[in-house]
Amino acid sequence: EIVLTQSPATLSLSPGERATLSCRASQSVSTYLAWYQQKPGQAPRLLIFDASNRATGIPARFSGSGSGTDFTLTISSLEPEDFAVYFCQQRSSNWPITFGQGTRLEIK
Amino acid sequence: QITLKESGPTLVKPTQTLTLTCTFSGFSLSASGMGVGWIRQPPGKALEWLALIHWNDDKRYSPSLKSRVTITKDTSKNQVVLTMTNMDPVDTATYYCARLLPHYDILTGYYPLYCFDCWGQGTLVTVSS
Repeated sequence: EIVLTQSPATLSLSPGERATLSCRASQSVSTYLAWYQQKPGQAPRLLIFDASNRATGIPARFSGSGSGTDFTLTISSLEPEDFAVYFCQQRSSNWPITFGQGTRLEIK
Repeated sequence: QITLKESGPTLVKPTQTLTLTCTFSGFSLSASGMGVGWIRQPPGKALEWLALIHWNDDKRYSPSLKSRVTITKDTSKNQVVLTMTNMDPVDTATYYCARLLPHYDILTGYYPLYCFDCWGQGTLVTVSS
């Protein structure tokens, strides 16, 4: 099973700042990595698929990069609605599908 | 518009069997490249993938739960059913169903990307005597 490790666990930033979230896989997942945003009491929302492709309706301030074992989600300029928990998820040829433990992005 | 909604009991007793139904609209699970999965999330914790079923009835299960979980579909009713046996308090979680993101390739047609683009609202299942 591929383990995804997200860092930091909590990130404290102010609106307008740039956020950089990391996801590291225990073995290569090529570019088969997705990012989700989850707000309290809500289901996750798909942001990025295949490492760098924005899902439908996702603002351009969200971008993803990386391949192999190291991935980054960047939010270029934080809006108030961006403060949430973010999860990465891999879908490599090795089952099962796994998720990271999440990064909480909180207002500083 | 694509919607999914989970339904089932909110409280089950230890050792009982949980049956959850995902009723969806806006897509057909008989269409090539489509799939629906189940994911759960214990309170305050991370997401855990449980199972998924493809348009062609191919099924995949989490190895850690494979002996306890069954996924089926009823295409005519637009439903996917998850059954989990021998429930334990550690199975207390919000259970979500979600659609696999379909992708179109001009050479191969539609196939699923194994991430989830549309989710139900989730249903909290508590396991307690």
